[in-house]
Amino acid sequence: ELKVEQNPLFLSMQEEKNYTIYCNYSTTSDRLYWYRQDPGKSLESLFVLLSNGAVKQEGRLMASLDTKARLSTLHITAAVHDLSATYFCAVDPTTSGTYKYIFGTGTRLKVLA
Amino acid sequence: DGGITQSPKYLFRKEGQNVTLSCEQNLNHDAMYWYRQDPGQGLRLIYYSQIVNDFQKGDIAEGYSVSREKKESFPLTVTSAQKNPTAFYLCASRQTGQYEQYFGPGTRLTVT
Repeated sequence: ELKVEQNPLFLSMQEEKNYTIYCNYSTTSDRLYWYRQDPGKSLESLFVLLSNGAVKQEGRLMASLDTKARLSTLHITAAVHDLSATYFCAVDPTTSGTYKYIFGTGTRLKVLA
Repeated sequence: DGGITQSPKYLFRKEGQNVTLSCEQNLNHDAMYWYRQDPGQGLRLIYYSQIVNDFQKGDIAEGYSVSREKKESFPLTVTSAQKNPTAFYLCASRQTGQYEQYFGPGTRLTVT
């Protein structure tokens, strides 16, 4: 069974601190996606990672993908309150051919002022 | 504006009633997906369609049905056979040849 695990599940951090969210998955995949969800809202696309070694940055967030380790990280630099949200990673199994996403359980981030 | 619309935003039904959730997109995307999200959890795939008049079951299809008669529309019916229908339902679409899925605003269904 394909599993996508995120940790931590909950993260409470001070402003200006750095932290990393981890996304481990159990199947072969070269494609991984990061989304943000605000309470009661839909998913907002953050990053699309399509190959081993891919690294993308937007503002205070940086995502990377290591397909050999089956691991993606979402690094937060100098957190600000506006980054408080739930972050999901989703894996698109390479062999499926159907582009069905398997989502992690999410990491709920709270940045304290 | 191109995008995905879901209606209604909130839906309330009595147990035992079927209910249909709407999903429309004007992005000219071929593939469409339905996901369910329960509180504090990730999304789980209900049904998906890669082309008009064709659809496949996802991981949790029991108690749900869909149709894909038009490219822009992919309605989801939650039947009375679905044991725990109360959830947040999200529709997504994807263009052929692209990997990324784009999500609609969601419909929150409450069944009492």
